[in-house]
Amino acid sequence: QQQVKQSPQSLIVQKGGISIINCAYENTAFDYFPWYQQFPGKGPALLIAIRPDVSEKKEGRFTISFNKSAKQFSLHIMDSQPGDSATYFCAASGVDSSYKLIFGSGTRLLVRP
Amino acid sequence: NAGVTQTPKFQVLKTGQSMTLQCAQDMNHEYMSWYRQDPGMGLRLIHYSVGAGITDQGEVPNGYNVSRSTTEDFPLRLLSAAPSQTSVYFCASSLQGRRGYEQYFGPGTRLTVT
Repeated sequence: QQQVKQSPQSLIVQKGGISIINCAYENTAFDYFPWYQQFPGKGPALLIAIRPDVSEKKEGRFTISFNKSAKQFSLHIMDSQPGDSATYFCAASGVDSSYKLIFGSGTRLLVRP
Repeated sequence: NAGVTQTPKFQVLKTGQSMTLQCAQDMNHEYMSWYRQDPGMGLRLIHYSVGAGITDQGEVPNGYNVSRSTTEDFPLRLLSAAPSQTSVYFCASSLQGRRGYEQYFGPGTRLTVT
């Protein structure tokens, strides 16, 4: 049973374009939603995270949009750059149990120059 | 700070062999976790610890043991390796608190069981 569903599996975007990755969750007890970025041969690193008390959070070119009623959240990468090419994972947990993350299956992003 | 370190980086085992994956952190984090990463499945939680002497099971604990005798170290033991345990293993640590939600991941151990 996959508690966090992520799509698409892979994404190709031209430099300067917008990359959009979507996630949906089942468990209404989740209230912490981070996105992790992973480069080949490296461990995941936290990119940005959101709590459900806000509908959007922006950090630089990266924005999380959150829809609590639909139990969905998405990552938008504006002005995508070749250096953004990586695998992106959404995740979810209770706010007091962020050491027990449930991850989505990942999206491999390729930004073409 | 070295952050989260893992050894070895690569390991090949034969079915039935045992081994320990090492994980250490120097950030004085209370919380530590082990995940495995398989293609198309994201990362899945194996075991976690909320402090020295306290461990618990995650989503996929079968075939793995852990212990936490110190704050810094959280080794993962495979008692009798199986081909299904071929994966990339990540250790992570975090400082729980009002601000401490971020999990810091190590560089991973790529394990192949033949």
